[in-house]
Amino acid sequence: DAKTTQPTSMDCAEGRAANLPCNHSTISGNEYVYWYRQIHSQGPQYIIHGLKNNETNEMASLIITEDRKSSTLILPHATLRDTAVYYCIVRVANSGYALNFGKGTSLLVTP
Amino acid sequence: DGGITQSPKYLFRKEGQNVTLSCEQNLNHDAMYWYRQDPGQGLRLIYYSQIVNDFQKGDIAEGYSVSREKKESFPLTVTSAQKNPTAFYLCASSSQGLEKLFFGSGTQLSVL
Repeated sequence: DAKTTQPTSMDCAEGRAANLPCNHSTISGNEYVYWYRQIHSQGPQYIIHGLKNNETNEMASLIITEDRKSSTLILPHATLRDTAVYYCIVRVANSGYALNFGKGTSLLVTP
Repeated sequence: DGGITQSPKYLFRKEGQNVTLSCEQNLNHDAMYWYRQDPGQGLRLIYYSQIVNDFQKGDIAEGYSVSREKKESFPLTVTSAQKNPTAFYLCASSSQGLEKLFFGSGTQLSVL
């Protein structure tokens, strides 16, 4: 799997957009970018994934740069309930192996 | 409701004792996983199973054992050989070949 780099922590004001970056400069052509989040003392929750096109769902948007070396997860209107650790994972689809979760980015949404 | 259930939520182990953590899913998923999480750390893979009666070691399998006799169930035993078992244990499942994992709510294991 390609290595990912995320900031250790970020702050965001409630109601503003939260933009969480992830660097994956060694990503290969068949690797997807996955995002999960983990609220304190709960299991991680799948958010979104993409290959090269930007993706949007009810939770967030995923913007992948044209060279695919980095991506940004966007929470358009952050709420206090979005305070969590966000994990960016790069993985070949259908690999048959389990996902590796690093330390992620701890996002704090403040009133 | 479909989902993945872990029990118990809290578990205490005495020195030299084996304990078993339960994980059950009714999502009809083929693959199941066990992760360990220490405070302030990411998740580390213990064991995973892609199909019934088959499982593979993850990064930190020593001191743990699993079984996969039924598609719905993937229990994890923390043996006395695991010298530092205090951690938050998470079970997950997914459809075969997909990386969209569904997690349980976790079991916090502590040593008395």
